[in-house]
Amino acid sequence: KAGVTQTPRYLIKTRGQQVTLSCSPISGHRSVSWYQQTPGQGLQFLFEYFSETQRNKGNFPGRFSGRQFSNSRSEMNVSTLELGDSALYLCASSLEGGAYTGELFFGEGSRLTVL
Amino acid sequence: GESVGLHLPTLSVQEGDNSIINCAYSNSASDYFIWYKQESGKGPQFIIDIRSNMDKRQGQRVTVLLNKTVKHLSLQIAATQPGDSAVYFCAENAPWGNQGGKLIFGQGTELSVKP
Repeated sequence: KAGVTQTPRYLIKTRGQQVTLSCSPISGHRSVSWYQQTPGQGLQFLFEYFSETQRNKGNFPGRFSGRQFSNSRSEMNVSTLELGDSALYLCASSLEGGAYTGELFFGEGSRLTVL
Repeated sequence: GESVGLHLPTLSVQEGDNSIINCAYSNSASDYFIWYKQESGKGPQFIIDIRSNMDKRQGQRVTVLLNKTVKHLSLQIAATQPGDSAVYFCAENAPWGNQGGKLIFGQGTELSVKP
């Protein structure tokens, strides 16, 4: 069974640009969550999607957005990039998500560097 | 705001010894807790979970203890091996509501196993 796949693995952008990251969950998983990981702030929840609907959202500005497609694949977008957006962006999938998140399966992340 | 913190940022142990990693959480309403292991260049990997109606749960070489009175969580690794070297995160599930269904991660503890 294939794991969670994230693309691209590495990318470099400049301030003001935008970026789109992609996540393919494990087959059959309907919940996809996104996290930002930085040395200073650790792992922070961005948002969760379930059946193409954003179900939960973390405390990030509106520049961070996402969506989920009918096949459960998800994308997140960051517009008007800032230096502080440099981070490892992790996608995680689970069967149902929800109150008892259960076992989240993480991808290896997309490492974004903003210059 | 809510936070999950770790008492020790680094822990160095001798191979074969037992390791104990501690975590404090702040939301008394959290009802589900998970420990993750993250190796360099990889996404977090599920180790063990525990629900708030339990105070102890055992897995293979790992035990999680939950003390709701003092809002403390610990991970015990028996007979620590070099392959256990990684960063360990605790995470709590915020209850349903406007912040429901998301995991709040601690800052992480780096475990180093000396051969």
